[in-house]
Amino acid sequence: QKEVEQDPGPLSVPEGAIVSLNCTYSNSAFQYFMWYRQYSRKGPELLMYTYSSGNKEDGRFTAQVDKSSKYISLFIRDSQPSDSATYLCAMTAPSTGFQKLVFGTGTRLLVSP
Amino acid sequence: SAVISQKPSRDICQRGTSLTIQCQVDSQVTMMFWYRQQPGQSLTLIATANQGSEATYESGFVIDKFPISRPNLTFSTLTVSNMSPEDSSIYLCSVQRGGIEQYFGPGTRLTVT
Repeated sequence: QKEVEQDPGPLSVPEGAIVSLNCTYSNSAFQYFMWYRQYSRKGPELLMYTYSSGNKEDGRFTAQVDKSSKYISLFIRDSQPSDSATYLCAMTAPSTGFQKLVFGTGTRLLVSP
Repeated sequence: SAVISQKPSRDICQRGTSLTIQCQVDSQVTMMFWYRQQPGQSLTLIATANQGSEATYESGFVIDKFPISRPNLTFSTLTVSNMSPEDSSIYLCSVQRGGIEQYFGPGTRLTVT
């Protein structure tokens, strides 16, 4: 079993839709949870990160963490064609000094005009 | 954030040869990281490079196959040695800033024939 599971998609939505991207994980030691966006042939770009449980909002993006369920989500409101990319979740634990990121495989998102 | 460059951006190499990938960051950082992103798989940490000491390798990765240099606080190299087609992958370096935030370079796309 992988430490972090993520549906590879693709997830296709029309412009303006609310998008929900999710990851599950098995290691209860993870404390920081990140979301990266990766455009084709580019490196991952850090969108936001959350510590432990709770919500964090940044513009059209909201990250949620439910540690009891080992489940994290990224919501994108009013999705735009420019949001079309692969979204990677990542998480890290104190045992690695929060240096080693463990990634999901990524979900490919397609937003059509 | 951080501005990170990698050279080469892509290469096609023959099996049995070696390739050295360079990573340059815009300002000094203590830790640099090397990841591998194989098709359809998650980003996986290869090793952590701390200036002035030996790199620390993750399980499944060995120094003979992936020697790393870290001559100063803004530069690192990763060599992929004695390559086989299974080494075809994207190799990315990253740096950590702001405690948790980890930023990635654009990646080096390697194809081994």
